[in-house]
Amino acid sequence: NAGVTQTPKFQVLKTGQSMTLQCAQDMNHEYMSWYRQDPGMGLRLIHYSVGAGITDQGEVPNGYNVSRSTTEDFPLRLLSAAPSQTSVYFCASSYLGGASGANVLTFGAGSRLTVL
Amino acid sequence: AQSVAQPEDQVNVAEGNPLTVKCTYSVSGNPYLFWYVQYPNRGLQFLLKYITGDNLVKGSYGFEAEFNKSQTSFHLKKPSALVSDSALYFCAVRDGGYNKLIFGAGTRLAVHP
Repeated sequence: NAGVTQTPKFQVLKTGQSMTLQCAQDMNHEYMSWYRQDPGMGLRLIHYSVGAGITDQGEVPNGYNVSRSTTEDFPLRLLSAAPSQTSVYFCASSYLGGASGANVLTFGAGSRLTVL
Repeated sequence: AQSVAQPEDQVNVAEGNPLTVKCTYSVSGNPYLFWYVQYPNRGLQFLLKYITGDNLVKGSYGFEAEFNKSQTSFHLKKPSALVSDSALYFCAVRDGGYNKLIFGAGTRLAVHP
């Protein structure tokens, strides 16, 4: 059971380049999300999805696009990278619903992105 | 809007001593509160959560947290710290529906031999 798999682990981009961070989970989780982690700021939610074909914006969505064509995959796209997008990116997933309604997020290992 | 605050950037503790990592929250309605831990170059791992019920919540690796509604706090505690507990700890609160979490800035715990 692989859990949440993120690729690549490291990436260096030049300003204006585009790229896609991949996220895949094998737990049949309905909910998937992307966070960015910056020093002193904790983790901030970029985008999230509650199922295939359904996505919504989080706290810091500008400069990022997402799509959810399958339950398993939730890629994050940077269309024109900027130095302000230098960060560590985490994908996280969970079930929805349940008795408590507050399910635990499972995180990937992270993708470190540097934009020059 | 929901928020959490971790007032300490770093906590230093000697091995064997009790540890406390502080968290305060601001929510409308009943809070769903979480603690996660991040070891170097790893993703976050779940420690424990408070939904309702007993104010003392027990979690993984011997950690526990005390929910205090009057002080709007959810401090993480462990009776006897280990060097291997050294890591970055995040408090989080659920924001509205689904599983959107708002995280604090994190507290770095350093346990010295």
